[in-house]
Amino acid sequence: GAVVSQHPSRVICKSGTSVKIECRSLDFQATTMFWYRQFPKQSLMLMATSNEGSKATYEQGVEKDKFLINHASLTLSTLTVTSAHPEDSSFYICSASSPGDTQYFGPGTRLTVL
Amino acid sequence: GENVEQHPSTLSVQEGDSAVIKCTYSDSASNYFPWYKQELGKRPQLIIDIRSNVGEKKDQRIAVTLNKTAKHFSLHITETQPEDSAVYFCAARLDTGRRALTFGSGTRLQVQP
Repeated sequence: GAVVSQHPSRVICKSGTSVKIECRSLDFQATTMFWYRQFPKQSLMLMATSNEGSKATYEQGVEKDKFLINHASLTLSTLTVTSAHPEDSSFYICSASSPGDTQYFGPGTRLTVL
Repeated sequence: GENVEQHPSTLSVQEGDSAVIKCTYSDSASNYFPWYKQELGKRPQLIIDIRSNVGEKKDQRIAVTLNKTAKHFSLHITETQPEDSAVYFCAARLDTGRRALTFGSGTRLQVQP
């Protein structure tokens, strides 16, 4: 099946710093990628839809100035958490739609903000 | 928007028994329904999906049924094994890769050896 990678897998940072997470589709081109956030023992909550070459579409309640999304190519989308605070600590997972419209997930990034 | 409800939240079965997880959705326009399995700390993995033009799909020990009229779909796992223990999520959306999935709340399945 299609492969989606995500980097880094784990990051610990100080409050106030910015963190960039990369999501790559390794063996297919993805015009659309998605960013989710998952709290412990909870479901995946969609944060935004990232379309190559255009602005991301954010879900209600997600601050677009805090969670910057860039989808500069057909294989790469990035999520930057700006001025991170402890409440931003979470598991962030990206996904990409394959040419067959199946959604494949990256391995996730565990962010801990001290 | 779409809303997906999933039951039960936890399910414990004996090895070899069957497990059934049920989901309902609200948007009658949804026509693609995947199921994902997520082990602790790992990515969700697609295990089976169904589109609205069929009522049932089977893959070895796993099957999914869909009732479009009632707007519900179910995952059936037969002959459960300890390695089936995980969290299972149902999801729904329009059948296009440009639309995001709406997930259910998840079911934690525990298969007792």
